[in-house]
Amino acid sequence: QQQVKQSPQSLIVQKGGISIINCAYENTAFDYFPWYQQFPGKGPALLIAIRPDVSEKKEGRFTISFNKSAKQFSLHIMDSQPGDSATYFCAASPGQAGTALIFGKGTTLSVSS
Amino acid sequence: DVKVTQSSRYLVKRTGEKVFLECVQDMDHENMFWYRQDPGLGLRLIYFSYDVKMKEKGDIPEGYSVSREKKERFSLILESASTNQTSMYLCASKGGGPGGYTFGSGTRLTVV
Repeated sequence: QQQVKQSPQSLIVQKGGISIINCAYENTAFDYFPWYQQFPGKGPALLIAIRPDVSEKKEGRFTISFNKSAKQFSLHIMDSQPGDSATYFCAASPGQAGTALIFGKGTTLSVSS
Repeated sequence: DVKVTQSSRYLVKRTGEKVFLECVQDMDHENMFWYRQDPGLGLRLIYFSYDVKMKEKGDIPEGYSVSREKKERFSLILESASTNQTSMYLCASKGGGPGGYTFGSGTRLTVV
């Protein structure tokens, strides 16, 4: 119930292509869904986030698509660049004070030039 | 920008040693967290704190304890370090209400 399942574990995309990372959850009480980007040797950094009352959020080349009925959300990276090569984590918030984000296991993205 | 500072980037400790990992945030955030990151296992929550002197166990608290005597500082303690605690340790903080975490750069701990 408290898990967030992320796929794929790793992804290789050509420069200019679209990278898609998927996450699924069980708990319908989750109310906040962020994505984090982590470069080697650095801590994860918040990339983009969405709430379940909207189906899509776009920031530059990064888009979250959210399907509430399917309990799934995905990150799309348009026109992928070598600088996007990083590990990406999806997460979900249980929506209660005094609780912590639940993270997926991460996706390592490599964008080849 | 919120800054979360972890006192050490790299640490090497011996089995059985007591180890202290320090984390300081500068934005008066109520919530602070300790995660460990291992390949293929993602980020696993060790402990978190939603107020001074308050602490909650996460998913993998065994072998660890925490201390939060001041709002800005959250310490992770390995009571008796073991080789299976070799990992990357990440500290994060978050203000009240909904929103994302700010992570520190991590401490890579090796226990030999």
